[in-house]
Amino acid sequence: DIHLTQSPSTLSASVGDRVTITCRASQSIGIWVAWYQQKPGKAPKSLISKASTLESGVPSRFSGSGSGTEFTLTISSLQPDDFATYYCQQYDSDSTFGQGTKLEIK
Amino acid sequence: QVQLVQSEAEVKKPGASVRVSCKASGFTFTSYGFSWVRQAPGQGLEWMGWISVHNDDTKYSQKFQGRVTLTTDASTSTAYMELKSLRSDDTSMYYCARTPSAIVANNLDYWGQGTLVTVSS
Repeated sequence: DIHLTQSPSTLSASVGDRVTITCRASQSIGIWVAWYQQKPGKAPKSLISKASTLESGVPSRFSGSGSGTEFTLTISSLQPDDFATYYCQQYDSDSTFGQGTKLEIK
Repeated sequence: QVQLVQSEAEVKKPGASVRVSCKASGFTFTSYGFSWVRQAPGQGLEWMGWISVHNDDTKYSQKFQGRVTLTTDASTSTAYMELKSLRSDDTSMYYCARTPSAIVANNLDYWGQGTLVTVSS
């Protein structure tokens, strides 16, 4: 199985900050990575597919990059609605998720 | 608009089976696939498996192989997940999610609201 490691596990930031979350894969997975946002008590929401393709309706302050084994999700200017938990997913070989990154208000 | 509506919460005893449904609307059901993902209380997301509505091809996580069965019914636009031999650590929220491809298990663009399955004696 392909293992995904997200860092950091918890991130404290303020409104307006630029933040980056990293997702590292245990082997090369091309560009087959997606990112999701989940708020407490809600289903996850799709943000990005194929490492860098923004899903319809997702604000442009979200961006993704990377290929191979290292991927990043960047939020250019944090808004109050962005405080949530973020997960990466690989779908190169079946599928697995990272353990999640909780983005908290500083 | 795309909607995935899941069945209501279930309480089961250890050793029993549970079947969760996911009724789809707002798109051509047979052109997509469905993954099932679970989340234990306070924990992360765990992929269980995927089914193509187009050709009934399935992929299962090794962890659940032999215990989970995914099916679809195109006549009612509904996907199903059955989990057998339930244990207390199967207590989780179970989500269905649509995959844009009917050929490969890829990203999950729309999600159901979740179904809580509680396993308790």
